[in-house]
Amino acid sequence: GAVVSQHPSRVICKSGTSVKIECRSLDFQATTMFWYRQFPKQSLMLMATSNEGSKATYEQGVEKDKFLINHASLTLSTLTVTSAHPEDSSFYICSAGSPYEQYFGPGTRLTVT
Amino acid sequence: DAKTTQPNSMESNEEEPVHLPCNHSTISGTDYIHWYRQLPSQGPEYVIHGLTSNVNNRMASLAIAEDRKSSTLILHRATLRDAAVYYCILRRGGGSNYKLTFGKGTLLTVNP
Repeated sequence: GAVVSQHPSRVICKSGTSVKIECRSLDFQATTMFWYRQFPKQSLMLMATSNEGSKATYEQGVEKDKFLINHASLTLSTLTVTSAHPEDSSFYICSAGSPYEQYFGPGTRLTVT
Repeated sequence: DAKTTQPNSMESNEEEPVHLPCNHSTISGTDYIHWYRQLPSQGPEYVIHGLTSNVNNRMASLAIAEDRKSSTLILHRATLRDAAVYYCILRRGGGSNYKLTFGKGTLLTVNP
């Protein structure tokens, strides 16, 4: 099946700094990618829809100036957590694919100290 | 989006069939039924999807009630690797709608 990769798999950063997470579709082109966040023992929460060549669409309650999304090519979307705080510590997951079958990345564990 | 209701947890024994139920009484005619599963500390994995008819693939079977208000994911022979959280999701069809809204899912425990 199609593969979606994420980098890094784990990152620890200090409060106030910014962190960039990459999501790549390895063997297919993705005009649309999705970014999710998952807190411990909770379900996935959709943060935003990343569209190649245009602005991302954010879900209600997600700060677009804090979570910057750039979908610069058909195989790469990036999520930058700006001025990270400890409450941003979470598991971030991206996905891409078709309406019928989404492929999810392995996730990025962000810890803000 | 129409909601789904799943049991919080279920338990099964290895090599036995598992039936995971999902209720979706407010489903609309264009809603697809999707199942994904998530192993600990991993991204979710596609399992199966259907619209009206029952579906089979190498991983599982999906049985959809005639009125479409409920469905059941069937794992024919559970293995330890099937222990995961299983999510039943409705996705509105038509256009290019890819959006998936995850509920709480069912935590499946498989006993050896």
